[in-house]
Amino acid sequence: EDKVVQSPLSLVVHEGDTVTLNCSYEVTNFRSLLWYKQEKKAPTFLFMLTSSGIEKKSGRLSSILDKKELFSILNITATQTGDSAVYLCAVDSGTASKLTFGTGTRLQVTL
Amino acid sequence: DTAVSQTPKYLVTQMGNDKSIKCEQNLGHDTMYWYKQDSKKFLKIMFSYNNKELIINETVPNRFSPKSPDKAHLNLHINSLELGDSAVYFCASSQAWGFEEKLFFGSGTQLSVL
Repeated sequence: EDKVVQSPLSLVVHEGDTVTLNCSYEVTNFRSLLWYKQEKKAPTFLFMLTSSGIEKKSGRLSSILDKKELFSILNITATQTGDSAVYLCAVDSGTASKLTFGTGTRLQVTL
Repeated sequence: DTAVSQTPKYLVTQMGNDKSIKCEQNLGHDTMYWYKQDSKKFLKIMFSYNNKELIINETVPNRFSPKSPDKAHLNLHINSLELGDSAVYFCASSQAWGFEEKLFFGSGTQLSVL
């Protein structure tokens, strides 16, 4: 069975800190890895990664994939209170159109 | 305009009742999904429909029955509700089967079974 594990489960940081969220996976047929941000309601798409070693960047957020070691990290620099959310990692194994989600990392950014 | 809309947002009901959640997307997508998110925030797929046809049916009790009258709608009917059904149910859509990278989620339906 496909498996996605995220760490840490939760994290509290001060505004301005840099955080790194981890996602490791075991899937039968990897196609892509995705990061979502979930605030109060619906998860919203952040990044999709398919190739090893190529960083995806959007403002203060960046992510990179290591297909050899089967993990990805999501970095957030100069955190703001608006970054407080649950960050979800999901893997597309190309199996009948479904994503396998991790349990998420709950990030809280305090003043 | 809301891309994926589901109703109701909140549903509080007694054990044993039957309830439905409706979902509609106006993105012109071919594929729609139901996900269940438990209290620990774990999102797990339940069903996927591509162009009104059932593609994925994960290990879900047969008390849950999805219905897709057309490719823009995917409703979820739940019979004989149980306490363990309490969760947030998310509808989602993607462009086509196999293109789930851009999953668009609805805002969720919080179901509480008492």
